[in-house]
Amino acid sequence: KQEVTQIPAALSVPEGENLVLNCSFTDSAIYNLQWFRQDPGKGLTSLLLIQSSQREQTSGRLNASLDKSSGRSTLYIAASQPGDSATYLCAVRIQGAQKLVFGQGTRLTINP
Amino acid sequence: KAGVTQTPRYLIKTRGQQVTLSCSPISGHRSVSWYQQTPGQGLQFLFEYFSETQRNKGNFPGRFSGRQFSNSRSEMNVSTLELGDSALYLCASSFLGTTTDTQYFGPGTRLTVL
Repeated sequence: KQEVTQIPAALSVPEGENLVLNCSFTDSAIYNLQWFRQDPGKGLTSLLLIQSSQREQTSGRLNASLDKSSGRSTLYIAASQPGDSATYLCAVRIQGAQKLVFGQGTRLTINP
Repeated sequence: KAGVTQTPRYLIKTRGQQVTLSCSPISGHRSVSWYQQTPGQGLQFLFEYFSETQRNKGNFPGRFSGRQFSNSRSEMNVSTLELGDSALYLCASSFLGTTTDTQYFGPGTRLTVL
């Protein structure tokens, strides 16, 4: 059974810092990995999608990497801003099933 | 292009009642998936529909059911509500629901069972 873990559960940093969020998964048989952002009480916003054949994806200040063999992904946020405060979730699409398996998320707070 | 919409946004029901939630996918998207989000269990997959057919189902009791209409809109029904059904219910749509598709989520329906 695929399990997705995100560490740390919460992170608080001052504005302007670069930071890394971690995601690990137990089964490397995945189609892709997706990073989402969730604001309190809201739905999920897709940030980046990395296919299993890719190593990384970039969008603006965000860079996500994928190491399928070791079961790890990282989300790098450059020059953090207070507006980046949210919960960040990673999810893997597992082979043989049309569904996403989510981690519990990292609650990120950027202090002005 | 309008995003995924869900109605209603908030619902309060009592134990034993039933509830129907609605999801309208992004125009042109044919795959709709439903997820339940709770503080304890996180996000869990309920089911996925494509062209009016359920393609996948998660590990939820039969009280949870759904359907999809010819215009790709989907409804989810929960019968005989229990306190533990209180959650944020999210639907997501994608173009074909293939393994390379990005899933786009709606704002969710917050269900409270009293």
